[in-house]
Amino acid sequence: QSALTQPPSASGSPGQSVTISCTGTSSDVGAYNYVSWYQQHPGKAPKLMIYDVTKRPSGVPGRFSGSKSGNTASLTVSGLQAEDEADYYCSSYAGSNNFEVFGGGTKLTVL
Amino acid sequence: QITLKESGPTLVKPTQTLTLTCTFSGFSVSTSGVGVGWIRQPPGKALEWLALIYWDDDKRYSPSLKSRLTITKDTSKNQVVLTMTNMDPVDTATYYCAHWPGALTFDSWGQGTLVTVSS
Repeated sequence: QSALTQPPSASGSPGQSVTISCTGTSSDVGAYNYVSWYQQHPGKAPKLMIYDVTKRPSGVPGRFSGSKSGNTASLTVSGLQAEDEADYYCSSYAGSNNFEVFGGGTKLTVL
Repeated sequence: QITLKESGPTLVKPTQTLTLTCTFSGFSVSTSGVGVGWIRQPPGKALEWLALIYWDDDKRYSPSLKSRLTITKDTSKNQVVLTMTNMDPVDTATYYCAHWPGALTFDSWGQGTLVTVSS
């Protein structure tokens, strides 16, 4: 069982927006502004899409955005495109002992 | 450009010790704030953070696996090594190494290496 809770699946049609949630606790997501989101296509390594809750690495489209409220972080993908279909994982810094925890992953389907 | 590549055995027997090497380029693990971490992913399952080593040789381990893990680095070879003792079939997974840039995230990942634990 993963430390952070994500919905197993999400879906949307091309052009629509979809939001994926990531719920933790006051010891991880709620305590630090260090939530990351990773995109993983089948058979590929994860790719960093969002870090520090809202920051996008160079090269990541502006359609991807992150936010946080309390113990729940969210990833929003706007203007869905076919290539956005993938698994998405959240992670959070959890202090010097637990260090880094991941969510269970969400499979995003573009209908 | 940062690249990382994992290497090691594809098959290990139960109770054996697994040794994986991460060879990287495009950064130095002696740069302040930088680290290299290991993450694994059982087939069809979620990512799980295992360990991280910092530029100053400080080390962090997953609490649930701490007794079985050792992470070391060889700065001159641009390598980080992870050992996991007493391997079990449930440890079957793709093992990734990743760059920790000083921000609290993994911004570049290796391609991963699948390790199967079976007799």
